[in-house]
Amino acid sequence: NAGVTQTPKFRVLKTGQSMTLLCAQDMNHEYMYWYRQDPGMGLRLIHYSVGEGTTAKGEVPDGYNVSRLKKQNFLLGLESAAPSQTSVYFCASSYSPLGITDTQYFGPGTRLTVL
Amino acid sequence: AQTVTQSQPEMSVQEAETVTLSCTYDTSESDYYLFWYKQPPSRQMILVIRQEAYKQQNATENRFSVNFQKAAKSFSLKISDSQLGDAAMYFCAYRSGRTGTASKLTFGTGTRLQVTL
Repeated sequence: NAGVTQTPKFRVLKTGQSMTLLCAQDMNHEYMYWYRQDPGMGLRLIHYSVGEGTTAKGEVPDGYNVSRLKKQNFLLGLESAAPSQTSVYFCASSYSPLGITDTQYFGPGTRLTVL
Repeated sequence: AQTVTQSQPEMSVQEAETVTLSCTYDTSESDYYLFWYKQPPSRQMILVIRQEAYKQQNATENRFSVNFQKAAKSFSLKISDSQLGDAAMYFCAYRSGRTGTASKLTFGTGTRLQVTL
């Protein structure tokens, strides 16, 4: 049981390049999330998904796209990277049984630098 | 929208002593959940403790306990018998209890805890 994994762990991009971050979970969780962490700002929600085939915008969605083609995977795409997207990206997942607190479990993070 | 405020950017505690990290939040909801996450230098986000708003009893997990004051909208974390391994960034987080909110978390800006010998 690996929990939540993220690929890659580090990446350096040039402005205008594209890339996809992969998040995978093996806990059969319904909900998945992408956050970014910037110094002094805590974690902010980019996009999330409440189930396979569904996605929704979070607090800071501009410049990102996501897809949830399989329940266990949640992809975060940057079509044209900008220096403002330099950040640490975290994926998380949680189960969604009705009426029960569902804790979010986090991946190890991806450090992305855009030059 | 809910907000979470952590007013202490940095705290320091001596090993074996007790430290309290502060968190306040703003919400108009009555049903919600509060969390403390720890982020060590490895960057991994680790759940420390959680509190359901409908429970009056403060949550406790070994050396970690909370002081939940619902009327004051305060949720502080107390770490007893501090250890070197407790050194980390600590984040307070809020989650609405309303259905349809997808269990989204709102985080505070974090408190960096140093543990000294």
